[in-house]
Amino acid sequence: AQSVTQLDSHVSVSEGTPVLLRCNYSSSYSPSLFWYVQHPNKGLQLLLKYTSAATLVKGINGFEAEFKKSETSFHLTKPSAHMSDAAEYFCVVSGRGSQGNLIFGKGTKLSVKP
Amino acid sequence: GAGVSQSPRYKVTKRGQDVALRCDPISGHVSLYWYRQALGQGPEFLTYFNYEAQQDKSGLPNDRFSAERPEGSISTLTIQRTEQRDSAMYRCASSREDQGHSEQYFGPGTRLTVT
Repeated sequence: AQSVTQLDSHVSVSEGTPVLLRCNYSSSYSPSLFWYVQHPNKGLQLLLKYTSAATLVKGINGFEAEFKKSETSFHLTKPSAHMSDAAEYFCVVSGRGSQGNLIFGKGTKLSVKP
Repeated sequence: GAGVSQSPRYKVTKRGQDVALRCDPISGHVSLYWYRQALGQGPEFLTYFNYEAQQDKSGLPNDRFSAERPEGSISTLTIQRTEQRDSAMYRCASSREDQGHSEQYFGPGTRLTVT
């Protein structure tokens, strides 16, 4: 079965400092992995996705994530946080086989201090 | 172009009433998904369709929940005899194809409150 574990429920950084949101996954198939972001009172937006091509994936707004099979990790990073990055971030793995249903982690709330 | 839309955005209902939640996907998208998100949690899969065919309903919590997509476009999620534990955000998403790598585009959600 597929699952994801987000290791931190809340991360707080200062503006201009690096961001690291941690995610470990479990999958019996070669997984597709995603990071979605949810701003307050808004819908979910795709940040980036990994689909078995390059292991370092670049997304929108300066975010990137590295797929590490040996560590079963897919951590999200950004070199320099901006106030507008404050939101909830979800690590996601696709469902069994080629089916598209998504399995979400519990989310990490990112706070950015001025 | 228009994204995924959902209606109503907010629904307050009394326990025991039936509710119908509507999702209008992006035009031409093959797959449509329903998720439920409790406060402080990530969305949980409920069911999905390819065109009008319901492919997987393993996430529906019990037989009070049903969904349809009769013409392969708009979908309705129906909850019969609502209970307080049904209170949550119900999210709909659509994708161009039914593949694990396909991006899903999410609607704004319907916030259901059962009193």
